[in-house]
Amino acid sequence: QLQLQESGPGLVKPSETLSLTCTVSGGSISSSSYYWAWIRQPPGKGLEWIGSMYYSGSTSYNPSFRSRVTISADTSKNVFSLKVNSVTAGDTAVYYCARQVGGLLRWSTLGDYWGQGALVTVSS
Amino acid sequence: QSVLTQPPSVSAAPGQKVTISCSGSNSNIGDNYVSWYQQLPGTAPKLLIYENNKRLSGIPDRFSASKSGTSATLGITGLQTGDEADYSCGTWDSSLSAVVFGGGTKLTVL
Repeated sequence: QLQLQESGPGLVKPSETLSLTCTVSGGSISSSSYYWAWIRQPPGKGLEWIGSMYYSGSTSYNPSFRSRVTISADTSKNVFSLKVNSVTAGDTAVYYCARQVGGLLRWSTLGDYWGQGALVTVSS
Repeated sequence: QSVLTQPPSVSAAPGQKVTISCSGSNSNIGDNYVSWYQQLPGTAPKLLIYENNKRLSGIPDRFSASKSGTSATLGITGLQTGDEADYSCGTWDSSLSAVVFGGGTKLTVL
């Protein structure tokens, strides 16, 4: 059974960098035809896609984050990570990692497996 | 403000049927697959429906979905108190080049 688990600091200061890691067990992030995604949910609000990384290493990001976001992977540890630069209070949210199935991002299915989520608060 | 529009809340009695709508545009729902997610309080979203109307393995057939033009609908029959949750729709937006979601609909089983 595939399992995903987010980890990282729960409190980040404004203007600093938010860093989270998703540890995947029960399957390999190098398996073909899968993307590995980050999604966030501000308190009391809806879901927001941050970006996805294909098993090959290519990435796609939500344009609303401009250049603040980086998703990377360490296949030797079977983990993928998220960095969000220059955070503000608006980045306070529960951050989820999830698997996305499909060859083309447009036609893929997001979220057949999810992590439990990690609350990150941006505050001084 | 979410790209896809859902009603904030719906309610129905146990055993009854409820539908949840998701409205979009030609660049998202009208041109791509729709997924539906259930989010029980304090938990991660759970995929119910993908590719407009396909149930994920293990999802009861009480849950169904359809798409017509730029709108999609999730239907739940035989409502149970355990169905109380937030339900969200999601799809790809070809103009934004992004996955987009609705704001979520809170289902109350009275």
